[in-house]
Amino acid sequence: QQQVKQSPQSLIVQKGGISIINCAYENTAFDYFPWYQQFPGKGPALLIAIRPDVSEKKEGRFTISFNKSAKQFSLHIMDSQPGDSATYFCAVAGSGNTGKLIFGQGTTLQVKP
Amino acid sequence: SQTIHQWPATLVQPVGSPLSLECTVEGTSNPNLYWYRQAAGRGLQLLFYSVGIGQISSEVPQNLSASRPQDRQFILSSKKLLLSDSGFYLCAWSIPWTGAMNTEAFFGQGTRLTVV
Repeated sequence: QQQVKQSPQSLIVQKGGISIINCAYENTAFDYFPWYQQFPGKGPALLIAIRPDVSEKKEGRFTISFNKSAKQFSLHIMDSQPGDSATYFCAVAGSGNTGKLIFGQGTTLQVKP
Repeated sequence: SQTIHQWPATLVQPVGSPLSLECTVEGTSNPNLYWYRQAAGRGLQLLFYSVGIGQISSEVPQNLSASRPQDRQFILSSKKLLLSDSGFYLCAWSIPWTGAMNTEAFFGQGTRLTVV
């Protein structure tokens, strides 16, 4: 049972372009929607996260767009740079004391110079 | 500041051998602790989580077990490794739930396990 579906699996973008990664979830009880960035051989690190009470959050070149009714959220990377080349994971979590994250399948982003 | 240590970084083990991966967290008390596995080109699958000493919850049936002998120590074990246990294992922690919404999980650098 796949609770989070992430697309595309891989993405190639030219330097300066916009990278867009999408995630869809099923359970309306989720209330925390983070995006993690992972470089090869390293652990993931939080990039940006959003709560369901807002539709958009921007931090520098990174923006999360959230559509509660459609149960979808997306990551937009503006002015993509070669240093952004990494694997990106969306995740969801529900309220409660476990803090468990359910991750999407990941998107490998390559930004060409 | 808080830090998470995970070792070893890489490990090659024969089929049928035991496994012990260790994770420790510094700079925080009573963290939630997690073990995730990442298969090649795949997402992160939650294996175990713990909200306190001796409290372990398993997310998927498998050949592995976890223990939390101390507040900030989390151990992943197996008595007999299978080929299918190969993967990238990640330990993570988050602050204890205070009744508010969830917060960030911090990951270690991972252990690359190859079972041969």
